[in-house]
Amino acid sequence: DVVMTQSPLSLPVTLGQPASISCRSSQSLVHSDGNTYLNWFQQRPGQSPRRLIYKVSKRDSGVPDRFSGSGSGTDFTLKISRVEAEDVGVYYCMQGTHWPLLTFGGGTKVEIK
Amino acid sequence: EVQLVESGGGLVQPGGSLRLSCAASGFTFSSYSMNWVRQAPGKGLEWVSYISSSSSTIYYADSVKGRFTISRDNAKNSLYLQMNSLRAEDTAVYYCARDTGITGVDSWGQGTLVTVSS
Repeated sequence: DVVMTQSPLSLPVTLGQPASISCRSSQSLVHSDGNTYLNWFQQRPGQSPRRLIYKVSKRDSGVPDRFSGSGSGTDFTLKISRVEAEDVGVYYCMQGTHWPLLTFGGGTKVEIK
Repeated sequence: EVQLVESGGGLVQPGGSLRLSCAASGFTFSSYSMNWVRQAPGKGLEWVSYISSSSSTIYYADSVKGRFTISRDNAKNSLYLQMNSLRAEDTAVYYCARDTGITGVDSWGQGTLVTVSS
């Protein structure tokens, strides 16, 4: 099974400052079709997860452009260019390459300093 | 707008059974595969089960294999999860989530809480 490892576990950030979350997979997420299926989800306190990013760097509809995804192979990053109060929550990466057996990272909690 | 509404959660004793439902609207349910994903209190997300649009293909996480059964009724736009032989470690919020194929899942319900305790 593919294991997804996120860091850091907790990320205190000052409003208006950037934030970066790392996600590493135990196996390459490059699919045989040449694409890489790595998603990022945001879960605000008391809410369901919401997908932000799919296929490493494609933003879902309605997602602010301060969120960006990057990476390749086994190493991926979610960046928030300027953190806003509404960005507080837990962020999860999830691999889809080995669909339908989906696996999630352990989560990174973003909080305001 | 895609809507997924779970129901059926509650308190059950260890060894007991529970059936969860997920009512779908706002999209052509019969065209999409679906998943159940759970989240133990204060913990991360764990994929539980997958069912294809026609029910022809089904998968389970090892942690629930042999105890849980996923099913769907396309005529009723509904997804189900029959949970038997429940254990304390099955305590979690259970979400239904629409499958988008290899890109994973996109829409999630609000979840239903299952508590397994004596």
